[in-house]
Amino acid sequence: DQQVKQNSPSLSVQEGRISILNCDYTNSMFDYFLWYKKYPAEGPTFLISISSIKDKNEDGRFTVFLNKSAKHLSLHIVPSQPGDSAVYFCAASAVWGAGGTSYGKLTFGQGTILTVHP
Amino acid sequence: DAGITQSPRHKVTETGTPVTLRCHQTENHRYMYWYRQDPGHGLRLIHYSYGVKDTDKGEVSDGYSVSRSKTEDFLLTLESATSSQTSVYFCATGDGYGYTFGSGTRLTVV
Repeated sequence: DQQVKQNSPSLSVQEGRISILNCDYTNSMFDYFLWYKKYPAEGPTFLISISSIKDKNEDGRFTVFLNKSAKHLSLHIVPSQPGDSAVYFCAASAVWGAGGTSYGKLTFGQGTILTVHP
Repeated sequence: DAGITQSPRHKVTETGTPVTLRCHQTENHRYMYWYRQDPGHGLRLIHYSYGVKDTDKGEVSDGYSVSRSKTEDFLLTLESATSSQTSVYFCATGDGYGYTFGSGTRLTVV
């Protein structure tokens, strides 16, 4: 049972345009969401996150939007650059926050391969 | 991230043999995790640790065991490797405010 789904295995965009990556979740207990970026032969690296008390978080060219009623989040990259080409994973947690024995247990989506063409 | 080292980076082993993967951190983080990455599944949690000698199962723990005898090291053991355990394994650490992955171990079971 996939609780976090990224239904687009791949996305191709032109340099300078907007990239929109989507993620849906089913578990209403999730209250913290993260996006990770992964290059080949490297571990995932943290990109941006959002708490369920917000509907938008922005960091430079990256913005994450959360629609709790639809259980949907999206990552917008504007403008897209060739260096953004990577696999992007959406992740969710129901136990985020310092302390506790279950901190940091993340449920990941399948990933979306983003290719930005020059 | 230089604070997390996974070893080996690559390993080929035969079905039925035991295999141990090591994760070493220099960040003094309390929490450590083992994930596996497979096509179509993303990353799935195998086991995690919330302190020395404190571990618990994740969503795909069958066939795996872990040990954490000191803060820096988190070992993942496949008691008897099977072809279904061919995967890329990632270790991660967290301090309650962040979460960092190692570079991964590519394990092939033949």
